Amino acid sequence: AQTVTQSQPEMSVQEAETVTLSCTYDTSENNYYLFWYKQPPSRQMILVIRQEAYKQQNATENRFSVNFQKAAKSFSLKISDSQLGDTAMYFCAFMKSFNRDDKIIFGKGTRLHILP
Amino acid sequence: DVKVTQSSRYLVKRTGEKVFLECVQDMDHENMFWYRQDPGLGLRLIYFSYDVKMKEKGDIPEGYSVSREKKERFSLILESASTNQTSMYLCASSFLGGRAATNEKLFFGSGTQLSVL
Repeated sequence: AQTVTQSQPEMSVQEAETVTLSCTYDTSENNYYLFWYKQPPSRQMILVIRQEAYKQQNATENRFSVNFQKAAKSFSLKISDSQLGDTAMYFCAFMKSFNRDDKIIFGKGTRLHILP
Repeated sequence: DVKVTQSSRYLVKRTGEKVFLECVQDMDHENMFWYRQDPGLGLRLIYFSYDVKMKEKGDIPEGYSVSREKKERFSLILESASTNQTSMYLCASSFLGGRAATNEKLFFGSGTQLSVL
């Protein structure tokens, strides 16, 4: 069975700094999808970034980028020039496919505080 | 924009009450999900549905049931609420696999914080 591990329950950084959130996963699949979701204090989860395992290039979305190391089964999220609005819970997630029987699996989350 | 609406943001119920949590999505998504979120445990899947009147158990279905009579609505039912069901409940929806797969993601509601006293 697939598992997703986020080893940092909580982190704090100063505004404008760069922060990296760790995520490792375990799977025997070769093709799959990885996600980072953000849950701000408003509670509505939103997708930050996604990565397809078959793509070697790391995904980027503005200030957010990932370091995808397939062999190491690592999928870290880097937030550059952090802003107060980045304060949130961040969840790493894995999905084997979008077929009916495959469900998304979430890590336990990392609570990130951006300090003014 | 896709909207997933959960009927209540906060709910307080008594032990033994029957509780209904409602979720409605407006994007004609086939898949709908109910998760429970607890500190230190992340999101755990309770039930999901990939079609009207279809339901599948997730990882922690005990003490819960669901109903999907219409495509846009997915209800979570606590038949007899207990204090260990105090939690944040999140509803989500998505297209079925294979469709718009390159842009596929889950869309979430804002959650219902349920307290069972």
